[in-house]
Amino acid sequence: DIQMTQSPSSLSASVGDRVTITCRASQSISSYLNWYQQKPGKAPKLLIYAASSLQSGVPSRFSGSGSGTDFTLAISSLQPEDFATYYCHQGYGTPRTFGQGTKVEIK
Amino acid sequence: QVHLQESGPGLVKPSETLSLTCTISGGSISNYYWSWIRQPPGKGLEWIGHIYYASTNYNPSLKSRVTISLDTSNNQFSLKLTSVTAADTAVYFCVRDLSSYSAGHGYAFDVWGQGTMVTVSS
Repeated sequence: DIQMTQSPSSLSASVGDRVTITCRASQSISSYLNWYQQKPGKAPKLLIYAASSLQSGVPSRFSGSGSGTDFTLAISSLQPEDFATYYCHQGYGTPRTFGQGTKVEIK
Repeated sequence: QVHLQESGPGLVKPSETLSLTCTISGGSISNYYWSWIRQPPGKGLEWIGHIYYASTNYNPSLKSRVTISLDTSNNQFSLKLTSVTAADTAVYFCVRDLSSYSAGHGYAFDVWGQGTMVTVSS
């Protein structure tokens, strides 16, 4: 299985801050890396697909970068509605696997 | 706009079979992969498996107990998980899987059902 490791596991930030979350794959996954946002009691929502493409309807303050084994999700200016848990996911191999999640909390 | 809705029992006894159905509305079941993903309370996401027409692929950790099937006439797909234990207690999501698209879509999961909580308990 391809292991996905996110860091940090949690972070505290203020509205307006720039936030970055990293995801590392245990082997190269090219650009088959996707990011999701999940709020309590809700299903995950696709934010970024193929490492850097913004899903339709997602605000432009979200961006993704990376290829191979190292990836980053950035939020340029954190908004109140962005406090949530974020997951990375690899679509390169089966079984599909997710990172353990990064919880973004209010400072 | 495609909408997915899970249905099935919220309580299953240990050693019995968990059965869930996902109904697709606003779109066709054809030409897509369809996945099941679960999330134990307070934990992360686990991919169970997916189906594309008659072809299935399962997570090896669950493969001996899982069956995913398609009902194209009713625009539904289903999950069966046998011999359940408390470890199978989770929210189960049905999901549209872009594995049939070009690699430019990252084989992402783009549409999710709201999820249904299944508790395994006697």
